[in-house]
Amino acid sequence: IVMTQSPLSLAVTPGEPASISCRSSQSLLYSNGYNYLDWYLQKPGQSPQLLIYLGSHRASGVPDRFSGSGSGTDFTLSISRVEAEDVGVYYCMHTLESPLAFGGGTKVEI
Amino acid sequence: QFQVVESGGGMVQPGTSLRLSCVASGITFNSYGVHWVRQAPGKGLEWLAVIWDNGNDKYYGDSVKGRFTVSRDDSKDTVFLQMNSLRIDDTAVYFCARGFNYGYLTHWGQGTRVAVSS
Repeated sequence: IVMTQSPLSLAVTPGEPASISCRSSQSLLYSNGYNYLDWYLQKPGQSPQLLIYLGSHRASGVPDRFSGSGSGTDFTLSISRVEAEDVGVYYCMHTLESPLAFGGGTKVEI
Repeated sequence: QFQVVESGGGMVQPGTSLRLSCVASGITFNSYGVHWVRQAPGKGLEWLAVIWDNGNDKYYGDSVKGRFTVSRDDSKDTVFLQMNSLRIDDTAVYFCARGFNYGYLTHWGQGTRVAVSS
């Protein structure tokens, strides 16, 4: 399964919304109704951190300005009001079957 | 506070081997899948391998299949990545992360650097 993200980079204004697209080469919707897709953020100089799992479920401690949506092959990570601390590279990753795979990443800067 | 610590990285020549370790403290790897992910200089994340919670199921990315082997010692909360036949393009920071068998990588280490150069 190949994961494609867009855009490659995104310049955002604090307080404004932002969204990142992720597309998979085959459906990530499993028979149990869940979409097997995670979103991660890698802040500058840090390890990645989980933001969203199963397509739309926020991980523990993740601010509610982050949300995941979509189903099948098309997914979106949305930030309702960008804050300065949200800069970094965002990755989607399919988790449907092995091998898992990341998208190429979207760099978000203020 | 939890810690996941990778070690064993270094500079090696092409064709040689290296064994990475990943140790958990403050959390346990027992009953969890443990994944290896790498990041080449200036590049994105690449998923490499997973060892399932049962210790028997192991899966690999195409770029490392047949060369890398993942194993675990639950008595020591440690996971290993044996890397053989290293190539220049294996140069990267290697992360391990605790998660489920399929994704949900919640606890990451800081990574260990591997440089393959002649």
